[in-house]
This record gives sequence, structure tokens and C-alpha cells, in this order.
Amino acid sequence: RKEVEQDPGPFNVPEGATVAFNCTYSNSASQSFFWYRQDCRKEPKLLMSVYSSGNEDGRFTAQLNRASQYISLLIRDSKLSDSATYLCVALSGGYNKLIFGAGTRLAVHP
Amino acid sequence: NAGVTQTPKFQVLKTGQSMTLQCAQDMNHNSMYWYRQDPGMGLRLIYYSASEGTTDKGEVPNGYNVSRLNKREFSLRLESAAPSQTSVYFCASSERAHTGETQYFGPGTRLLVL
Repeated sequence: RKEVEQDPGPFNVPEGATVAFNCTYSNSASQSFFWYRQDCRKEPKLLMSVYSSGNEDGRFTAQLNRASQYISLLIRDSKLSDSATYLCVALSGGYNKLIFGAGTRLAVHP
Repeated sequence: NAGVTQTPKFQVLKTGQSMTLQCAQDMNHNSMYWYRQDPGMGLRLIYYSASEGTTDKGEVPNGYNVSRLNKREFSLRLESAAPSQTSVYFCASSERAHTGETQYFGPGTRLLVL
């Protein structure tokens, strides 16, 4: 079983829609979590960290549920420019390295 | 301020050939990493260097060697390329390792081994 699992998608949504991605992690000792964004044929870039209390950055909201071992990313009022692959990332509790999920692809259409 | 740079951008090798992927960062970061990205697999850590003078194996080190040349540069060497090493290779850096601090990635090297 992969340590971080995501639905690969694609999620096809119209502009203005709200879309949510979930990600599950298997290592209960994982300490920190992040969402990275990767545009087609580009490098990953940090989108936001995920805090235990949940956090918001503009149209983006991240939530962590330690009891169920999942994290989520909510995007409100989707823009065409949000089209990308979103990578769920956990700081592994075992050896303190980042473990990347395979990514969820989002396609926003007019 | 270029961030993290990688060369080459693309490379085609024949099975058994060797090559070195170069990476440099200008952010004065202590830690550097090499990942490979394959479809459906996510990024997997090959090797990392927590600080100048140290290197450690990641999740998939077999078939690779690394050199932390100085604080700025971290190279990845394939001694005898195999088709299974066809992948996109990303170099990354961060201020410190083992803390989950933001990693900054280079643009990647696309490698095809025939």
C-alpha cells in the first residue's frame, strides 16, 4: 500500500465551481502535511501547508483529519489557471522525509 | 536569482551508457535532493544531502550515485543506464532536511533510456 494515496482524477469542472480533493495517509506517525501544485511538464511548487486546525489561503482551504488519516483541499470559484496536478505530501514520521502522492489532476473548463 | 537549475533538460541514452545530471542552487540552502517521477508513482526520493559533505540513500537508490560537490551543487550519476531508469528527474533544495520545510524544485531532466 502506498504511504500517501490520492484519486488520480481527472476532475473536470467548469469555471466558478467548487471542487474538493481528498488524500489518505497510512503512517499515523506522519507529522506534517502539504499540498504542492504541478503544472503540466513543470516542477512541483508548494501551494500550502496543512495545519491541524485547518487553514485558508484565498480560495484554497486545507483540512487535516488525524483520526481518519486524511487531508483535503477545497478550491472555491475555480479559475482556468487552477488547472494542474495537485500533489498531497506527508512528512514521514519514520525518517522525516517528504512522501509524495501520485497527484490529482484538475481540469477547469470555460 | 535563478533558484534551482538543472542540466541537461532532455537526454536520450542507450542501455549501458553513463551520464551525470547536474543541479545547482543559489539560495544558500543546506539540503539538496534528487527525485524521480514516473506516471502513477509520485515523486520518489533517490538520494539526498542534508548538508555539505553528507549524502544518504532515499527510497530508490539502486543504479545511482551522487556527489555533493559543494554547498551549491549536487550531481546524480547513472553508471550504466537501464530502460527502467527512463523517467523525469527533479533536483530540489531546502534550508534544512528532516523538517518538512519547503522544497524548491528545479525544472527537471527528461531521460529516455533505449
